[in-house]
Amino acid sequence: NAGVTQTPKFQVLKTGQSMTLQCAQDMNHEYMSWYRQDPGMGLRLIHYSVGAGITDQGEVPNGYNVSRSTTEDFPLRLLSAAPSQTSVYFCASSYSSNTEAFFGQGTRLTVV
Amino acid sequence: GQQVMQIPQYQHVQEGEDFTTYCNSSTTLSNIQWYKQRPGGHPVFLIQLVKSGEVKKQKRLTFQFGEAKKNSSLHITATQTTDVGTYFCALNSGGSNYKLTFGKGTLLTVNP
Repeated sequence: NAGVTQTPKFQVLKTGQSMTLQCAQDMNHEYMSWYRQDPGMGLRLIHYSVGAGITDQGEVPNGYNVSRSTTEDFPLRLLSAAPSQTSVYFCASSYSSNTEAFFGQGTRLTVV
Repeated sequence: GQQVMQIPQYQHVQEGEDFTTYCNSSTTLSNIQWYKQRPGGHPVFLIQLVKSGEVKKQKRLTFQFGEAKKNSSLHITATQTTDVGTYFCALNSGGSNYKLTFGKGTLLTVNP
């Protein structure tokens, strides 16, 4: 039981490049979310999903796309990276709407 | 959407001193969760409070939920260097439109 797995752990992108941050969970959780963490800003919700085929926007969705084709996977796509997207990204999952969230180890992204 | 104010933003204590962080909301909360993030790590769930006036303890940590369910606190008695990290409260919107919104966190440093 690996929990929530994020890849890669570190990534450097050039402005304008695209990439996908991967997130997978093996706990059969319905709920999954993506957060970004910047100094002094806490954890800000980017996108979330309450089940396969269902996604919705969080607090800071601009510049990011998501899809949820399976229960296990919830990838986050940056279509055209910008320096403002330099951040640490966390994926989280939970069993239900009223239980604890489990976080992945994070992806540290730098856009130059 | 629901928002929560968390104070203080930073707290530095001598080992053995007590520490408290507070979360305040302008609206009534259905429940509140607390997480700890060690430096360089990912958020880890500590506890969830649901009932008005609820008090829960985990060893040296005491969690409270206000009578009006608009505020919550985390108190650590006799801090240790292992308590270093950022403590977050998080609001769970619950229901079918699940969304977990985090406060900005309180960074605790402990001088040995």
